[in-house]
Amino acid sequence: IVLTQSPGTLSLSPGERASLSCRASQSVSSNSLAWYQQKPGQAPRLLIYGAFNRATGVPDRFTGSGSGTDFSLTITRLAPEDSAVYYCQQYGTSSCSFGQGTKLEIK
Amino acid sequence: EVQLVESGGGLVQPGRSLSLSCVASGFNFDDYAMHWVRQAPGKGLEWVAGIIWNSGIIGYADSVKGRFTLSRDNAKNFMTLQMNSLRVEDTALYYCAKGGIDCSSGKCFDFFMDAWGNGTTVTVSS
Repeated sequence: IVLTQSPGTLSLSPGERASLSCRASQSVSSNSLAWYQQKPGQAPRLLIYGAFNRATGVPDRFTGSGSGTDFSLTITRLAPEDSAVYYCQQYGTSSCSFGQGTKLEIK
Repeated sequence: EVQLVESGGGLVQPGRSLSLSCVASGFNFDDYAMHWVRQAPGKGLEWVAGIIWNSGIIGYADSVKGRFTLSRDNAKNFMTLQMNSLRVEDTALYYCAKGGIDCSSGKCFDFFMDAWGNGTTVTVSS
């Protein structure tokens, strides 16, 4: 399954809302879709799994939604520390694949 | 606290071999799948390989199938990625990652990552 993320780069101001898209080339079974945040020089961090389940410690400003081939990550009340690259990932029981990432800039 | 420590990276010539290791602590290692994910300089994430808790399923990305071999030792909380016939395009930061468990749909999946190490760098160059 090929995942296409859009936009490539998103520039927003603090307090605004970000909407990141992830489109799959075929239906993602059982909504097995995750989102990760990667800040410069750091390892990725799991935000969302199962399309909408927040990982431990993830604030409720981060919300995953969608099903089938179209998924979204919404981040409300943007803060400077949300600046990062966000990746979606579809996963199964023996393989997985990542999208190419969306860079979120908070200016 | 989950800790994943990678080692074994370095500079190697094309066509040669290298073995990466990951030592895990802070969780019941033999309950979880484990993965390697790599990131070429300035690029995105690429899943390399994953192995379920009992080594019954081992998956590989097409880009490394037939060249890389993943194994684990649950007694030692240890995972190894043997990389043969290395290519310039294998140059990347290699992350060890712990598999999460998602049973929210009624079927369980473990090929996603809920904890990551800091990575070890592999450079393939002549």
